[in-house]
Amino acid sequence: AQRVTQPEKLLSVFKGAPVELKCNYSYSGSPELFWYVQYSRQRLQLLLRHISRESIKGFTADLNKGETSFHLKKPFAQEEDSAMYYCALSSQGAQKLVFGQGTRLTINP
Amino acid sequence: KAGVTQTPRYLIKTRGQQVTLSCSPISGHRSVSWYQQTPGQGLQFLFEYFSETQRNKGNFPGRFSGRQFSNSRSEMNVSTLELGDSALYLCASSSRTAGNTIYFGEGSWLTVV
Repeated sequence: AQRVTQPEKLLSVFKGAPVELKCNYSYSGSPELFWYVQYSRQRLQLLLRHISRESIKGFTADLNKGETSFHLKKPFAQEEDSAMYYCALSSQGAQKLVFGQGTRLTINP
Repeated sequence: KAGVTQTPRYLIKTRGQQVTLSCSPISGHRSVSWYQQTPGQGLQFLFEYFSETQRNKGNFPGRFSGRQFSNSRSEMNVSTLELGDSALYLCASSSRTAGNTIYFGEGSWLTVV
């Protein structure tokens, strides 16, 4: 069964501190992994995907197939990073996303 | 380029009624999918359409249905509404030529009373 687990519903860090949002997945095969973000009063938008291996807004995520994890990291948090973050997976090329429950990140000044 | 647009944005229905939600994908996108978002269950996939054909379906009862038109616009319908159908319904579109990135609309807030 396909499953995405985000163990932290809430995460609060101070501005300038490192941030790590955890994501573990269960999938038989080679999934595509994504991080989506939803800022207050905005639509859900793609932050990054593992196949592009980019750094977006200072965030990076590495797919660890051995640990079936795709944790999102940023070395220095900014107040504008406060948002809801969702980890998601899909089959290669498929348009069906399986989402985790989300982590609400709050950056304190 | 206009994003994914959904109408109506907010609506209130009574138990037992039916509702139709509309979605206009990004121009050129032929894949349209629908998701239900609730506080308890989170984001759950409903179905996906491509070239007017349902290509994927989630685990929802038959009261939830959808369709796609030749211009890629899509509608979803929920019949015999239940209180538990109260949710934010998100439409998303994608295109293979745009790297299959899935873009979401702002959603339609449905309240069933």
